[in-house]
Amino acid sequence: GENVEQHPSTLSVQEGDSAVIKCTYSDSASNYFPWYKQELGKGPQLIIDIRSNVGEKKDQRIAVTLNKTAKHFSLHITETQPEDSAVYFCAASIARDDKIIFGKGTRLHILP
Amino acid sequence: GAGVSQSPRYKVAKRGQDVALRCDPISGHVSLFWYQQALGQGPEFLTYFQNEAQLDKSGLPSDRFFAERPEGSVSTLKIQRTQQEDSAVYLCASSLVGRVNGLNTEAFFGQGTRLTVV
Repeated sequence: GENVEQHPSTLSVQEGDSAVIKCTYSDSASNYFPWYKQELGKGPQLIIDIRSNVGEKKDQRIAVTLNKTAKHFSLHITETQPEDSAVYFCAASIARDDKIIFGKGTRLHILP
Repeated sequence: GAGVSQSPRYKVAKRGQDVALRCDPISGHVSLFWYQQALGQGPEFLTYFQNEAQLDKSGLPSDRFFAERPEGSVSTLKIQRTQQEDSAVYLCASSLVGRVNGLNTEAFFGQGTRLTVV
């Protein structure tokens, strides 16, 4: 089955700097890659997603890139703000399975 | 409702007790998922429904775990004879379309039920 690896597990960046979180996946049939933000005591919330037919997607300060050949995908957050502090999960999904397989998460700290 | 609703938010069970966790998905959503999230970990897939049909239960850790969605809307995850290792947050998610479309769409998560087995 699909396996998603995520790193780093913890990331601290100065407010205003950029943050990058990287993930790899194992199943070449995966075609949907969502990113979730989880705040304390809440369920994961989708912040951006990308499908396998595109290599990059951007939404304001957030961008995701996908390298299908290498089975890598990354989340980029620019101009970080205090409210970006949270746990971020990458995930992968295969159309035939529908289930979403999550990475172990990255705890992002934005330093004042 | 506006989002996925789970109840109770918190549940403390004595070891050996049976528990039932409820999920109200977004109205009209075809797919419903249950995930287990241990402290400091990512959500782990448990089971998946498309309407009332349970299409995948490969993630259920043992036969003590049982899920149902009899009318294709509300779902219940039941854990029998709870053990300490069952302590976790149980997340429910729903999405609009199902496998028949071959599409993946956004899955909306509830806030979860935190189960503590003592």
